[in-house]
Amino acid sequence: QLQLQESGPGLVKPSETLSLTCAVSGGSITNSSYYWGWIRQPPGKGLEWIGNIFHSGSAHYKPSLKSRVTISVDTSKNQFSLTLNTVTAADTAVYFCARVVRSTDVFDIWGQGTLVTVSS
Amino acid sequence: QSALTQPASVSGSPGQSISISCTGTNIDVGNYNLVSWYQQHPGRAPRLIIYEVNRRPSGFSNHFSGSKSGNTASLTISGLQAEDEADYYCCSYALSPTSTYVFGTGTKVTVL
Repeated sequence: QLQLQESGPGLVKPSETLSLTCAVSGGSITNSSYYWGWIRQPPGKGLEWIGNIFHSGSAHYKPSLKSRVTISVDTSKNQFSLTLNTVTAADTAVYFCARVVRSTDVFDIWGQGTLVTVSS
Repeated sequence: QSALTQPASVSGSPGQSISISCTGTNIDVGNYNLVSWYQQHPGRAPRLIIYEVNRRPSGFSNHFSGSKSGNTASLTISGLQAEDEADYYCCSYALSPTSTYVFGTGTKVTVL
């Protein structure tokens, strides 16, 4: 059974960089049937798609976040990562990683999520 | 790109059927049969319950069903149960101008 696990700092200072990693276990990140994505959820609010990446390194981002976001993949470690620059309090959220089925564009397996708070 | 519009809350008694709407535009919901629905209990990750408008993941009963007309998709929960009390989100693929995904605003379902 494939599992995803997010990891990274729970507290980031304003204007600094948020970095998270999603470890994939029970399956290979190089499976061409899937993308790998990041979604976030501010406390008490709805879900927001951030971006997806294919194992080749090809990535797509939400247009409004594109200037600050980078998603990368490390196939040797079977993991992918999220970097968000110049964070503000508005970036405080639970960040989820997820597997995306290419043929149906659905997020079928999710990590448990990790809360990142932006505060000085 | 704006979030898809869902009602903030829907409620029903056990055994009843309820529906949740998800309204988008002709760039997303209206242009693709790539609408999915997710259930989220408090403090938990979302769980896929419907994909491609009306298809259920393997192992899921017809307790949940989906449909679409024009720019609006709908989720129906039949025979409401206490464990159905949760938040529900729709999501659509869009090509605007590159591949993107837009989620709905979310609906809180309360079982009375």
